[in-house]
Amino acid sequence: GAVVSQHPSWVICKSGTSVKIECRSLDFQATTMFWYRQFPKQSLMLMATSNEGSKATYEQGVEKDKFLINHASLTLSTLTVTSAHPEDSSFYICSAPSTSDYTDTQYFGPGTRLTVL
Amino acid sequence: AQKITQTQPGMFVQEKEAVTLDCTYDTSDPSYGLFWYKQPSSGEMIFLIYQGSYDQQNATEGRYSLNFQKARKSANLVISASQLGDSAMYFCAMKGLDSNYQLIWGAGTKLIIKP
Repeated sequence: GAVVSQHPSWVICKSGTSVKIECRSLDFQATTMFWYRQFPKQSLMLMATSNEGSKATYEQGVEKDKFLINHASLTLSTLTVTSAHPEDSSFYICSAPSTSDYTDTQYFGPGTRLTVL
Repeated sequence: AQKITQTQPGMFVQEKEAVTLDCTYDTSDPSYGLFWYKQPSSGEMIFLIYQGSYDQQNATEGRYSLNFQKARKSANLVISASQLGDSAMYFCAMKGLDSNYQLIWGAGTKLIIKP
């Protein structure tokens, strides 16, 4: 299957600072990537769709100025949590659909656990 | 509206037994895809198996098989000969016809394999 990496795996930061999370497709190109947020014991919540070369599409209720997404190349999307606060603490995970077959299966990065103090 | 329902919040199963995780879906799209993912405590989402709505046969991948009953709109995951390493959260998801790759997710089932 396709491989997606995500960095960092975990980060602890002080309130008010910004945190950047990288998502890379290692062995395939991804014009689209997805960013999810997951609270403990809950399912994935789609935050936004990242599109290479254009603006991201945010889901209703997600603050675009808070969660900045940049899809700089066909293999890299970044999520920046700006002016992070304790309520932003969560597990963030990205995915990219592999277009190598007709299933469009999404492959996920290992996730980033963010703790804001 | 599209929806995925997983009615089992948690399950305990004895090691080496087979286990069935339930998933029902609702969609009006004539063409759709169904996926199962495993999420161990480490957090990574691992793709397990895919079933297309037009596939005539149930999908199988090693110890995983998908019991696809289109008329009942169910896509249950069957794990044969369960192992301790199968303990994890399991999510069912669906992709519709014009969903731009977006997936609709179920709430998940926590599976615990007992030794």
